[in-house]
Amino acid sequence: QVQLQESGPGLVKPSETLSLTCTVSGGSISSYHWSWIRQPPGKGLEWIGSIYNSGSTNYNPSLKSRVTISVDTSKNQVSLKLSSVTAADTAVYYCARGSGYYIYWGQGTLVTVSS
Amino acid sequence: EIVLTQSPGTLSLSPGERATLSCRASQSVSSSYLAWYQQKPGQAPRLLIYGASGRATGIPDRFSGSGSGTDFTLTISRLEPEDFAVYYCQQYGSSPLTFGQGTKVEIK
Repeated sequence: QVQLQESGPGLVKPSETLSLTCTVSGGSISSYHWSWIRQPPGKGLEWIGSIYNSGSTNYNPSLKSRVTISVDTSKNQVSLKLSSVTAADTAVYYCARGSGYYIYWGQGTLVTVSS
Repeated sequence: EIVLTQSPGTLSLSPGERATLSCRASQSVSSSYLAWYQQKPGQAPRLLIYGASGRATGIPDRFSGSGSGTDFTLTISRLEPEDFAVYYCQQYGSSPLTFGQGTKVEIK
């Protein structure tokens, strides 16, 4: 049974860096591609970016200058860093397995950007 | 970037009725790489359909997808109480991956 669990600070100050971790259980992280998707409160879904099992990455151009996605195979974790955050980055952040359609999702974690 | 426009924004129907949801793309979706998700409050999206018409594992056959190019449809043949939710389409044929804004299916 594949399970994904996001974790990280629920509150981040403006201009700081948002850092989240997705811990994967039930499978080897190195065999798959991984993605981050976010959803502002009451709004739709936005793809942030993906990391492939080759280690290469692909980011949404709207966030590309601020996003880094990485994998730690020793911990079976996928990480997201988003720099220079503003209130517009307040959202539920999901990790998901894959880089196309998504079968497996984490439950999501709400990150609020506020001073 | 491919923009996906879903219609209607809200669909008010009764249990047992048929629901037809539309997703129109601003340009052709490569290889019909179009997925549909269901999302309930406080939950992550759940994959229903991939490849425009392939039903994901465990999804009841009352859910069906169709379409190609720029026009896609999700049909729920007979609404069950648990089907009232928000539905999103997503294209994964070109980067950046994009989602529609959602259609809410509510109880009439």
